This record gives sequence, C-alpha cells and structure tokens, in this order.
Amino acid sequence: ETGVTQTPRHLVMGMTNKKSLKCEQHLGHNAMYWYKQSAKKPLELMFVYSLEERVENNSVPSRFSPECPNSSHLFLHLHTLQPEDSALYLCASSPQQGRGEKLFFGSGTQLSVL
Amino acid sequence: QKEVEQDPGPLSVPEGAIVSLNCTYSNSAFQYFMWYRQYSRKGPELLMYTYSSGNKEDGRFTAQVDKSSKYISLFIRDSQPSDSATYLCAMTAGGTASKLTFGTGTRLQVTL
Repeated sequence: ETGVTQTPRHLVMGMTNKKSLKCEQHLGHNAMYWYKQSAKKPLELMFVYSLEERVENNSVPSRFSPECPNSSHLFLHLHTLQPEDSALYLCASSPQQGRGEKLFFGSGTQLSVL
Repeated sequence: QKEVEQDPGPLSVPEGAIVSLNCTYSNSAFQYFMWYRQYSRKGPELLMYTYSSGNKEDGRFTAQVDKSSKYISLFIRDSQPSDSATYLCAMTAGGTASKLTFGTGTRLQVTL
C-alpha cells in the first residue's frame, strides 16, 4: 500500500460515543497533520506532529485528542462530540514540517455526529 | 478580511474550454504557492507547486504567481470532464514552523 491511508472512510457516532480515526503513511515522512474540512470553509489545521512530537495544537477543543505513536501512524481520538463537529477529517504528511513542504493527503474520514 | 480569497463557484464550462481559477491573498510573506485538486469523496492531491513569482507549466496546467498584485492563477487548457473537481489554492511563508493557508476552493464542472 502506498501514500496516506485513513480508516474508517465513514463514521456515524452519537454525542456520547468514543471513537478513533486512524492514519498511516507509507512515504517515510517525518511530519503528520490532522485537518478539518467543512463545507464552504478553508481547511482548518488541527494538529501537527514532527518526529512524533506535537508541535502545533490549533486551539482545538479537548474532545479531540491526537496520538502519534511513531512517525508512520497518527490517531485522532474522539469523545463527547457535538453536531457541529460533523465534517471531513483529513490526515496529511510531509517530509518535514514547514519550509514550504508539500502535503500529501489521505482520502479522509467523513464524520457525522448525531 | 480573509487571508486568502477564492471564488467558490461553481464554475461550469464546456469540454475543450480554457479555465482560469484565481486566488488573492493579503500576506506579503507568502512565498510558496500550491494548487490542490480534490475529487468528490477524496482528499486533496497536489497539482502545481510554485516558489515566488512567475509561471510554471505542466501539461495542460499553468500556474501563475504575481506577488506584486498578491494574485495567483491556475489555467487549464483543453479542459476535460475528468478535470471536474474542486480546486484549492494554498500558500505559505516557508519558515520552519510555517503553515499552509488554504482558500475555500472553487468547484469546477466540465460538461460534454
């Protein structure tokens, strides 16, 4: 498998559920990202990990909790979400963080919160 | 004022037309400019990457950057139905901790 893989592709959850999104990159990159994409809004950067260390937390509510166990895997743990959290969640990777690096995206997880 | 402005469309053109997609920005520190293409139910994929001002051509696609006007463009020649997608502009200053700033995307429909 090549590129950036995200699972699941679709997720429906109630406001009291706990679920996790998974991302895996096979590109040998050192930086990984979580983005949120909502209709008619620009992509919103949520978290950045560089060499497994979180270097960016963009004022994201604590109901979103990232985890980066190694440079190839990234998780987003979700709990007690709100309906306004329904969106496409995209994982991306780049060779390094910053410096005009090109981002490579996964296909995303379409999340619906009921 | 948004840091990056992009007309959301939708833009509908007949097959074979020349398409022009544009973004304006306000941050003069931006030096790296990208266009991403996003098909429905897929993640964005990098289409064009440009550093500083000037033109870059790749097949039917041409990216232009005019830093003096803070304006970037993507031209698609001989558009095809397979070009139907949302096109996102993105840009960054390029420092070690810099982040990409995205436009909202322009939805393009190329009709037969």
